[in-house]
Amino acid sequence: GENVEQHPSTLSVQEGDSAVIKCTYSDSASNYFPWYKQELGKRPQLIIDIRSNVGEKKDQRIAVTLNKTAKHFSLHITETQPEDSAVYFCASPGQGTALIFGKGTTLSVSS
Amino acid sequence: EPEVTQTPSHQVTQMGQEVILRCVPISNHLYFYWYRQILGQKVEFLVSFYNNEISEKSEIFDDQFSVERPDGSNFTLKIRSTKLEDSAMYFCASRGLAIRGNEQFFGPGTRLTVL
Repeated sequence: GENVEQHPSTLSVQEGDSAVIKCTYSDSASNYFPWYKQELGKRPQLIIDIRSNVGEKKDQRIAVTLNKTAKHFSLHITETQPEDSAVYFCASPGQGTALIFGKGTTLSVSS
Repeated sequence: EPEVTQTPSHQVTQMGQEVILRCVPISNHLYFYWYRQILGQKVEFLVSFYNNEISEKSEIFDDQFSVERPDGSNFTLKIRSTKLEDSAMYFCASRGLAIRGNEQFFGPGTRLTVL
């Protein structure tokens, strides 16, 4: 089945810096790659997603890039703000619809 | 905006007892999921449900677990005989048809504590 690896596990940046989180997946049939943000004690919330027919997608300060050949995708957050501090999870469905999540990245943005 | 809802928000039970976690998915959604998250760890898939039957399940979803859609709105997860290691946050999620996007919408979760 699908296996998703996520790096780094923790990331500390200064306010205004950029943050990049990377994930690799194993199932070449995967065609959908979401990123979820989870604040402490809350539900995971989708922040951006990309389908396999697109190489990059942007939404204001966040972007996701996908390299299908290398089977990896990345989350880019520019001009980070303290409210970006949270745990970020990448996910991939493999051949089904169930999401297989990475282990998460704890992002800390200090002002 | 429609949301997935879950009850209860927190359930405390004794080891060996049965628990039922309840979810109300978004009304026009057709795919339903249960995930769990042990404190400080990643979100893990348990089971998916489509067209009134289980469509996928993980290794975690053994004979102690069952799911049901008893009526047109509720989606339940039953754990027959709880173990200490079942303590976790359980999230329900739902999704519409693929042509409307693949996004899975998560409920607020039920924190299950097994003593």
